[in-house]
Amino acid sequence: DAGVIQSPRHEVTEMGQEVTLRCKPISGHDYLFWYRQTMMRGLELLIYFNNNVPIDDSGMPEDRFSAKMPNASFSTLKIQPSEPRDSAVYFCASSYGGTVSLASTDTQYFGPGTRLTVL
Amino acid sequence: DQQVKQNSPSLSVQEGRISILNCDYTNSMFDYFLWYKKYPAEGPTFLISISSIKDKNEDGRFTVFLNKSAKHLSLHIVPSQPGDSAVYFCAASEGGSQGNLIFGKGTKLSVKP
Repeated sequence: DAGVIQSPRHEVTEMGQEVTLRCKPISGHDYLFWYRQTMMRGLELLIYFNNNVPIDDSGMPEDRFSAKMPNASFSTLKIQPSEPRDSAVYFCASSYGGTVSLASTDTQYFGPGTRLTVL
Repeated sequence: DQQVKQNSPSLSVQEGRISILNCDYTNSMFDYFLWYKKYPAEGPTFLISISSIKDKNEDGRFTVFLNKSAKHLSLHIVPSQPGDSAVYFCAASEGGSQGNLIFGKGTKLSVKP
């Protein structure tokens, strides 16, 4: 398995521009998570999906952020308009919830991340 | 307020010695704990986990200890190797619920040859 795939790996943009980050989860996983990592706040959960449906978006910082999951193999995180304070590494992760709530199903597998720089 | 705290931002250990990384949590409802390792320019990778019904879980050189009364867990690496140099994140979840992994800010471990 190729693991979680994210693109682009690096993105540099100017303030006010739209940014779209992409994620392909591990095949068969039914949960997908978007995280943001900064020095100040560490790893923060932004939003997560179960079976393509957004479950909790309380971590999304503001309306400029939106996420979609049109199918089981693709998700996007969009920032519009982008601001310098959005500069961070954005990670996508996926996991398999299974039919039984076992502790092992909480293991999330992370992609390599997208390093976003907003000038 | 941070629910999962890793109070040591960095740790330096000599090769062959034991590395002990600590993590404290405040939410008594957390019942599953994980450690992730992260190399530069890569995503975190799962290392080891422990359920609250246990107080110890071992996997090769890695052992996680859980002290529920103290709301504390630790990761022991014995013996430490230079390839273990990475940032280690502690994470916790509540009730086996997906999506509620709360991460600490990480501890950067440096293992010197």
